[in-house]
Amino acid sequence: DAGVIQSPRHEVTEMGQEVTLRCKPISGHNSLFWYRQTMMRGLELLIYFNNNVPIDDSGMPEDRFSAKMPNASFSTLKIQPSEPRDSAVYFCASSFEGDQPQHFGDGTRLSIL
Amino acid sequence: GENVEQHPSTLSVQEGDSAVIKCTYSDSASNYFPWYKQELGKRPQLIIDIRSNVGEKKDQRIAVTLNKTAKHFSLHITETQPEDSAVYFCPPRYSTLTFGKGTMLLVSP
Repeated sequence: DAGVIQSPRHEVTEMGQEVTLRCKPISGHNSLFWYRQTMMRGLELLIYFNNNVPIDDSGMPEDRFSAKMPNASFSTLKIQPSEPRDSAVYFCASSFEGDQPQHFGDGTRLSIL
Repeated sequence: GENVEQHPSTLSVQEGDSAVIKCTYSDSASNYFPWYKQELGKRPQLIIDIRSNVGEKKDQRIAVTLNKTAKHFSLHITETQPEDSAVYFCPPRYSTLTFGKGTMLLVSP
């Protein structure tokens, strides 16, 4: 099993640009989570999907952030326009159900200049 | 939603000592209690978990104990080693809340 796959691993871009982060969950898992990690705020849940449907997006910071899950094997997190305060490590995780162990990807380290 | 408090925020021990991290939760319906470990620069990984029908679970040097009456569960690490140095999380149920900042454990040789 390849685990949760995230791309890109690193992204450096200028403020105002659109950023798209991608995630492929573990095959057979029906829950997918997007997290953001910073020193100040720790590891925050941004949005949670179950069976490709967004269940809880209360952690999404503002309208500049959007997430989609068009099918069971792919999800994107988009930031448009990006700002320096969006700089963080973004993790994607998946699980068989919501109350099962979550498997994390290696994260995307995002730097907005 | 679920409220979880984790203590302490940082813990420094000498190699060979034991370490205990405690989480207190509020939702009586909670039935799944996981612990994750995140080493510096790496992804969080599940190290041990427990269901509400079990009071204790052990895996080599780590153990988790659950007190449903008091609504807390604890991670116990015995004979700590430098490679145990990491941030440990006890996340609440998946919805609405976060892993937070966790507990930073530092094991000095």
